[in-house]
Amino acid sequence: KNQVEQSPQSLIILEGKNCTLQCNYTVSPFSNLRWYKQDTGRGPVSLTIMTFSENTKSNGRYTATLDADTKQSSLHITASQLSDSASYICVVSLPSGGSYIPTFGRGTSLIVHP
Amino acid sequence: NAGVTQTPKFQVLKTGQSMTLQCAQDMNHEYMSWYRQDPGMGLRLIHYSVGAGITDQGEVPNGYNVSRSTTEDFPLRLLSAAPSQTSVYFCASSSGAGYNSPLHFGNGTRLTVT
Repeated sequence: KNQVEQSPQSLIILEGKNCTLQCNYTVSPFSNLRWYKQDTGRGPVSLTIMTFSENTKSNGRYTATLDADTKQSSLHITASQLSDSASYICVVSLPSGGSYIPTFGRGTSLIVHP
Repeated sequence: NAGVTQTPKFQVLKTGQSMTLQCAQDMNHEYMSWYRQDPGMGLRLIHYSVGAGITDQGEVPNGYNVSRSTTEDFPLRLLSAAPSQTSVYFCASSSGAGYNSPLHFGNGTRLTVT
């Protein structure tokens, strides 16, 4: 079964510190990988997309990496802010009958303390 | 700029009752989909549609029906509610069947079945 595994399950850091979230996947064939941020009580919002040929992509203080050989991705958050407190979800899409079916990880819950 | 609108935000049903969760988007997106989010689990795809008049089943379709008569609307019907359907339901839309286009999520409907 295609799976997306994220670690750690939860993380607590102090404001201003950096952190890295991990995503391992077994989805095949691979189309793309996205990281979403989900604030409490809200729907997920896309942060960044990685395709097979991309290794690194940045979006402000968020930097995503992808190693397609080892099927691993990471999301690095620099100089964390209180507003970064949220769940971060890794999503891998695979092609299916002309469309693309997303497979979601369980998410990493990040809490940033002042 | 409404995006994806879901109604209602909260709903309590008794076992056996039926109801419809509404989803509307104003971005002229062809692709729309429904997910459920349960504690400790990733979002799971219930049904999706790649355009008006076209729907298909996702990972967990049993107990749910959908229709897509217009581009804007994609309602989800619970035929006979069961306690196992207690969950948070998210509707999402995308302009490109989920490949290079991100999913735009609504803010969810929290459903409790007693």
